[in-house]
Amino acid sequence: QVQLVESGGGVVQPGRSLRLSCAASGFTFSSYGMHWVRQAPGKGLEWVAVITYDGSNKDYAESVRGRFTISRDNSRNTLYLQMNSLRGEDTAVYYCAKRFSGWSLDHWGQGTLVTVSP
Amino acid sequence: QSALTQPPSASGSPGQSVTISCTGTSSDVGGYNSVSWYQQHPGKAPKLMIYEVSKRPSGVPDRFSGSKSGNTASLTVSGLQAEDEADYYCSSYAGSSLVFGGGTKLTVL
Repeated sequence: QVQLVESGGGVVQPGRSLRLSCAASGFTFSSYGMHWVRQAPGKGLEWVAVITYDGSNKDYAESVRGRFTISRDNSRNTLYLQMNSLRGEDTAVYYCAKRFSGWSLDHWGQGTLVTVSP
Repeated sequence: QSALTQPPSASGSPGQSVTISCTGTSSDVGGYNSVSWYQQHPGKAPKLMIYEVSKRPSGVPDRFSGSKSGNTASLTVSGLQAEDEADYYCSSYAGSSLVFGGGTKLTVL
């Protein structure tokens, strides 16, 4: 069965960096585009970034463009999100999610909490 | 990219039907047949319920249906059951990006 397991969250000061990982199993990771989606405490879902199956194309939400970088290592079945220059408004649970059809997401991880606080 | 507009809340009694709307623009909902709906129970990850406006993934009950007219998409839940109580989010492709709605809390009375 498909499993996505995020890790790397924690408490970080504003302006610092953090790298999230998402370990995938149960499907051919190298064949699917992957997304990061976040959810601030008590708030709705916000799309963060997408990467194609081979890593050749990436897109970002305006709110993170230039600060966050999505990448993948298909040999390790792992998705990454490098987050630099973190701000308080980046505080959220970060989910990785697998592309299904078009821009729908059929499997999600359990999420990892990132807290940006002095 | 602005969030899609959903009503903050909706409710219905068991067995009834409820419809949740999701309004965007011609640059997202109205421009593509790429609307999805997600169900999220408290403390859980979202679950895909509808994709490409009206298609159901395997395992999703046929009580859940989706439609679209112009810039507004809708999710209808028929034969409401207690376990349908959750937050529901729409999303749409918006040209190299994905935009979500603000979410609707569905209460089963």
